[in-house]
Amino acid sequence: RKEVEQDPGPFNVPEGATVAFNCTYSNSASQSFFWYRQDCRKEPKLLMSVYSSGNEDGRFTAQLNRASQYISLLIRDSKLSDSATYLCVVKTSYDKVIFGPGTSLSVIP
Amino acid sequence: DTGVSQDPRHKITKRGQNVTFRCDPISEHNRLYWYRQTLGQGPEFLTYFQNEAQLEKSRLLSDRFSAERPKGSFSTLEIQRTEQGDSAMYLCASSPRLAGAETQYFGPGTRLLVL
Repeated sequence: RKEVEQDPGPFNVPEGATVAFNCTYSNSASQSFFWYRQDCRKEPKLLMSVYSSGNEDGRFTAQLNRASQYISLLIRDSKLSDSATYLCVVKTSYDKVIFGPGTSLSVIP
Repeated sequence: DTGVSQDPRHKITKRGQNVTFRCDPISEHNRLYWYRQTLGQGPEFLTYFQNEAQLEKSRLLSDRFSAERPKGSFSTLEIQRTEQGDSAMYLCASSPRLAGAETQYFGPGTRLLVL
């Protein structure tokens, strides 16, 4: 089993739609969680950290369920500019950073 | 530009040759990571440094791969006797060692093609 798994995708959604990405991780000792965004042929960039209480940044909401070892990202009112690959990232207690395989999103006009 | 830089941006080599990549992190960052990314996959962790100390190496990092960060600033990643399977994007990232400072800042990557 991979240490971090994500929805395989791709997701093709119309502008204005709400889309949710799921991620699971296998190491129960993992301490920090993030969502990164990667545009085609570009480097990954931090989208948001994920906190146990859940957190929101504009149209983006991240949730963490430690008991289920599950992380989610919700994007509301999708924009064309949201088209990218979304990477779930988990950091272990030893500072090892593990990226999921990514889920591709295409927002269609 | 004070971001992470990598050199070269592209490298084409023949199988069996050695290649070396360089990463210059953001100057005040003492953590430096190397990743490998292939098409359709997320970045795979290779190794990381805190200052000049190499603290962890992935089992993906075979004995043909070696990384150094001799003065705790820039880092090099060398691949000896390259194989076609080494073709990938090699990404470097840095982060500060501060409480709560979790963000990794990535460089643009070095794209390697082994013929």
